[in-house]
Amino acid sequence: AQSVTQLGSHVSVSEGALVLLRCNYSSSVPPYLFWYVQYPNQGLQLLLKYTTGATLVKGINGFEAEFKKSETSFHLTKPSAHMSDAAEYFCAVIKAQKLVFGTGTRLLVSP
Amino acid sequence: DAGVIQSPRHEVTEMGQEVTLRCKPISGHDYLFWYRQTMMRGLELLIYFNNNVPIDDSGMPEDRFSAKMPNASFSTLKIQPSEPRDSAVYFCASSFDLAGGGYTFGSGTRLTVV
Repeated sequence: AQSVTQLGSHVSVSEGALVLLRCNYSSSVPPYLFWYVQYPNQGLQLLLKYTTGATLVKGINGFEAEFKKSETSFHLTKPSAHMSDAAEYFCAVIKAQKLVFGTGTRLLVSP
Repeated sequence: DAGVIQSPRHEVTEMGQEVTLRCKPISGHDYLFWYRQTMMRGLELLIYFNNNVPIDDSGMPEDRFSAKMPNASFSTLKIQPSEPRDSAVYFCASSFDLAGGGYTFGSGTRLTVV
């Protein structure tokens, strides 16, 4: 069973627009949740993570995500997209002590 | 720190040949992971090590794949013999811990088997 589900394989926004990338998790226990970004021809880079404590997590490059237990969601947002944000974004969860990734969402940013 | 270093960046080989991918983790990281990324299957964990000892290799697709970590600063992933379906990007990552998830990834090796 998929542990994290990312809705939308591609998301297109205009520069300056709100970025919203969706991630839902399936877990019977409080999960550890992560967002990673992959720029073309590069490895994955950690954007932010939620383990315990504050449910609104701030990451690098102006991104943030909110853990919502009632909705089993951990959506990634950024108020204003930059061209440099164009990349693939992966939601991930710790499952059986392993980091398991979603299928990824490619963010396209147009001028 | 130079980060996780993988070599080569690109590898093109003929079917049936042996392929060896290399990884140097970040110094002080006790965990090392090998992932494979394909369009069809996404990111899959192949194997991980703790203090140079293989802990979980349940993701290794078949006996043609093997991984070693002879010391804390070096690991290899070997495929012998290689097949076209092994074509993928192989990532190495390292971390201080397991459940924290803050893995540092290398830039990957793009393997093409023709």
